[in-house]
Amino acid sequence: GENVEQHPSTLSVQEGDSAVIKCTYSDSASNYFPWYKQELGKRPQLIIDIRSNVGEKKDQRIAVTLNKTAKHFSLHITETQPEDSAVYFCAAQGDSSASKIIFGSGTRLSIRP
Amino acid sequence: GAVVSQHPSWVICKSGTSVKIECRSLDFQATTMFWYRQFPKQSLMLMATSNEGSKATYEQGVEKDKFLINHASLTLSTLTVTSAHPEDSSFYICSASALIGGELFFGEGSRLTVL
Repeated sequence: GENVEQHPSTLSVQEGDSAVIKCTYSDSASNYFPWYKQELGKRPQLIIDIRSNVGEKKDQRIAVTLNKTAKHFSLHITETQPEDSAVYFCAAQGDSSASKIIFGSGTRLSIRP
Repeated sequence: GAVVSQHPSWVICKSGTSVKIECRSLDFQATTMFWYRQFPKQSLMLMATSNEGSKATYEQGVEKDKFLINHASLTLSTLTVTSAHPEDSSFYICSASALIGGELFFGEGSRLTVL
């Protein structure tokens, strides 16, 4: 089955700097790659996603890149702000409604003032 | 976006009792719902895929007789933790997608504490 690896497990950046989180996946059939932000004690919230027919997607300060050949994808947050502090999870899913979404291990991002 | 509601948000029970957690899709029909378990400072681990009108599909290592899943309608899935023990204490969270291959929406989660 699918296996998603995520790095780093913790990341601390200065406010205003950029943060990058990287993930790799094992199942070449996966074609949907969402990123979730989870604050302490709350449900994960989708922040951006990308499908396999696209190499890059951007939404304001957040961008995701996908390399299907290498089976890795990355989250980029620019101009980081204190409210960006949270745990971020990458995930991978196949193309049917019953396809499981498998999560990475998570990255705890801290923004230093 | 679509709304998934989960109840209860937290529950404390004695060891040996059973606890039922409900997951509802409020404004869409979900033929498939997913149940995850999350231990402190860890990732979301998929427990099972809940299929409306049929048996759930459990992930390897998850005891189907201990974690009973029922998906009786297109808007409701329930997870029952039977004969709960302290090691079952965790954050249980359900999710569903309104569209095939679409965004996954999560319930608020249920924090279970077994004494």
